Amino acid sequence: QSVLTQPPSASGTPGQRVTISCSGSTSNIGSNTVSWYQHLPGTAPKLLIYSNNQRPSGVPDRFSGSKSGTSASLAISGLQSEDEAEYYCAAWDDSLNGLWVFGGGTKLTVL
Amino acid sequence: QLQLQESGPGLVKPPETLSLTCTVSGDSISSGTYYWGWIRQPPGKGLEWIGSVYYSGTTYYNMSLKSRVTISVDTSKNQFSLRLNSVTAADTAVYYCARHPYLRYHFDYWGQGTLVTVSS
Repeated sequence: QSVLTQPPSASGTPGQRVTISCSGSTSNIGSNTVSWYQHLPGTAPKLLIYSNNQRPSGVPDRFSGSKSGTSASLAISGLQSEDEAEYYCAAWDDSLNGLWVFGGGTKLTVL
Repeated sequence: QLQLQESGPGLVKPPETLSLTCTVSGDSISSGTYYWGWIRQPPGKGLEWIGSVYYSGTTYYNMSLKSRVTISVDTSKNQFSLRLNSVTAADTAVYYCARHPYLRYHFDYWGQGTLVTVSS
């Protein structure tokens, strides 16, 4: 049971816009920044979004992030077949002595 | 180009100790600019942060694992390591090492991960 809640799956057709939600609490998303990662099996997870809505160099502007209160979202516009992957959200959690918490992952299928 | 590479045994017997090393190339751990962390993913489950270390040796652990975990750094070899003792089948997972700019900030680079199976 992951601390951050994501839908297990999402899908879309090429060119569409899809969004993936990430729900947390006041001790994590409500107090700290959210990051998003793209993961293909057998490869290193890749940072897509940091500080809620910032893209690292090299990440296409088709990927965008937002945060409101204790929830965050990742949007992918102009969906491409290469976007088919698992997506994870993450945030620092201030509870206990502090720890990183992750979402359970959302498998994105490009139909 | 920064690269992180995990290495270590792929099979560990319970209740022995799991030991992994992450070798960093393309950056110097001793620069003090980043923190270096371990994250794992059991089969079919989500990601779990194990802990992180700073170049000085200061460590930060997930309290749920703290009693069994030791993370250390060897700046002369540009490596950091994970030791998890008294392992059980529940510790079977893909183990990743990663870099993050501050303790509470994102992980900007990850290794590709290594599967460790705990089985007798």
